[in-house]
Amino acid sequence: GAVVSQHPSWVICKSGTSVKIECRSLDFQATTMFWYRQFPKQSLMLMATSNEGSKATYEQGVEKDKFLINHASLTLSTLTVTSAHPEDSSFYICSATKGTGRAGELFFGEGSRLTVL
Amino acid sequence: AQKITQTQPGMFVQEKEAVTLDCTYDTSDQSYGLFWYKQPSSGEMIFLIYQGSYDEQNATEGRYSLNFQKARKSANLVISASQLGDSAMYFCAMREGIQGAQKLVFGQGTRLTINP
Repeated sequence: GAVVSQHPSWVICKSGTSVKIECRSLDFQATTMFWYRQFPKQSLMLMATSNEGSKATYEQGVEKDKFLINHASLTLSTLTVTSAHPEDSSFYICSATKGTGRAGELFFGEGSRLTVL
Repeated sequence: AQKITQTQPGMFVQEKEAVTLDCTYDTSDQSYGLFWYKQPSSGEMIFLIYQGSYDEQNATEGRYSLNFQKARKSANLVISASQLGDSAMYFCAMREGIQGAQKLVFGQGTRLTINP
């Protein structure tokens, strides 16, 4: 079963509103989680690294005030798209790692599809 | 500079045939990891196979094998005996460094279509 869960799996909102997406590690503690964005028919682009108890690290070109990341606990990171606009419509995926080992310890969420009208 | 390159936007293969998906990478690190993921239309990322830069043998996972050519910096995915359910997007990804949190850089992807 899924070990990283995202919610909601899809959301439609009006332009100008804010949307929160949750990423939970279900049976392990994740000190670090990652948020990716995927536009249609494109690859996954890393947006930010979410660190429990500290500020997120954003990739170049990603607006910190636009995409608020909070990693309040070892099992939950949230991505809030503030004042969403149609160009923010995308597929957002999180990942979390159980540790610092190999591939088997890295898990992706199911993804959240955001449509801004 | 592109760190992961997948040069095949789309591949069409007959069912039961083997298929090779190409991936080349660029890094100056000695320690790195290479991943392949399958993404069906549902969007979930399904882990297929992993190769560490220090692994001497090519990784294999069931019908999946990774043809790791370190000197050429290539990490091609080979799917044997393809099935209709293999139709999906396939992404090659790299993590620089063996240890540490696993931040991945993805290639552009290859859309694989298996024909009956």
